[in-house]
Amino acid sequence: ETVMTQSPGTLSVSPGERATLSCRASQSVSSNLAWYQQKPGQSPSLLIYGASTRATGIPARFSGSGSGTEFTLTISSLQSEDFAVYYCQQYNNWPLTFGGGTKVEIK
Amino acid sequence: DVQLVESGGGLVQPGGSLRLSCAASGFTFSSYNMNWVRQVPGKGLEWLSYISSSSSSINYADSVRGRFTISRDNAKNSVYLQMNDLRAEDTAVYYCARDFCSGGRCYEWFDPWGQGTLVTVSS
Repeated sequence: ETVMTQSPGTLSVSPGERATLSCRASQSVSSNLAWYQQKPGQSPSLLIYGASTRATGIPARFSGSGSGTEFTLTISSLQSEDFAVYYCQQYNNWPLTFGGGTKVEIK
Repeated sequence: DVQLVESGGGLVQPGGSLRLSCAASGFTFSSYNMNWVRQVPGKGLEWLSYISSSSSSINYADSVRGRFTISRDNAKNSVYLQMNDLRAEDTAVYYCARDFCSGGRCYEWFDPWGQGTLVTVSS
């Protein structure tokens, strides 16, 4: 099983600042990585697929990078609506696996 | 609008069974692979099961293989999860989620997700 490890567990950021979230895979997943955002009481929603392609309607302040085993989600200037939990997910190997999540909270 | 609506959750005793349903609308259901994912309240996401558009390919997580069965009915635009021998650790919100498919190829990232249905396993 491909283990996905996200860091940090919690990130405290002020509105307008940049947030950098990391996701590491225990083996190569190529670029077969997605990022999701989950707000309290809501279902997850797709942000990024293919490691770096924004899903439809996702603002340009969200960007993804990386390949192989190291990936990054960057939010260039945090808006109030961006405070949420973010999950990475690999779809290169079965079983499909998620990281444990990074909570982005208001500093 | 593309929509997934889960139902069938509730309170069940350990060792019991439950069948979850997910009704799809707003897209050609028979062209898409589908998945079930769960989330223990306050915890992370766990992928459980996948079924291809024609039901020819099915996969399970080790944690549920042999206890859970995924199926679909393309005529009813629905996917199901039959859960048997339920345990306390199966208590979670269960989501159905659609694969991305385009140009005859599908990829196992999930968009959209349903709103989820809560399953509580307790005596």
